Amino acid sequence: AQSVTQPDIHITVSEGASLELRCNYSYGATPYLFWYVQSPGQGLQLLLKYFSGDTLVQGIKGFEAEFKRSQSSFNLRKPSVHWSDAAEYFCAVLSGGSYIPTFGRGTSLIVHP
Amino acid sequence: EPEVTQTPSHQVTQMGQEVILRCVPISNHLYFYWYRQILGQKVEFLVSFYNNEISEKSEIFDDQFSVERPDGSNFTLKIRSTKLEDSAMYFCASSEQDSTEAFFGQGTRLTVV
Repeated sequence: AQSVTQPDIHITVSEGASLELRCNYSYGATPYLFWYVQSPGQGLQLLLKYFSGDTLVQGIKGFEAEFKRSQSSFNLRKPSVHWSDAAEYFCAVLSGGSYIPTFGRGTSLIVHP
Repeated sequence: EPEVTQTPSHQVTQMGQEVILRCVPISNHLYFYWYRQILGQKVEFLVSFYNNEISEKSEIFDDQFSVERPDGSNFTLKIRSTKLEDSAMYFCASSEQDSTEAFFGQGTRLTVV
């Protein structure tokens, strides 16, 4: 069965600093990978997704993620964090044989001024 | 831009009462989902719905839960007799096809007292 691990429950960064949120998945073949963001009081918004092709994926709001097959990872990055990026970030996996996304537990991003 | 809408945004109910959470998926989507997120925990899959029937459900989705698509636009989740542990954020999602991006609503926060 597919599973997703987000090892960091909370991440605190200063505004303007770079960010990397970790995501590891467990599945034999190449899955479809997603990052969602949940701002306070809001629903889940898709930041970016990887289906195939270029392993570096660009998303909205200046985010990018890199699929690394050898590490079964899909880490989310942003070179310079803004205070408005403070939110909950979820990595999700959709793999062959299932059309139901499996979510990680989420990482809460706190941005200090 | 089309979006998934959920009502109400917040619902407080007494233990043992029935609740119905409502969702309007994106109009040309064919697959519908309910997820829930207990405070501080991961987003968990409850049920998927396609072609007017449940296509998959998790072990969380027991006999207390039911889903319905009463007309061409609404997709509802009913909890027959709520328990304290049903308190969570419930997300509705829809997708155009299987294995494609799911669009999520803003969620309904259910509090059972």
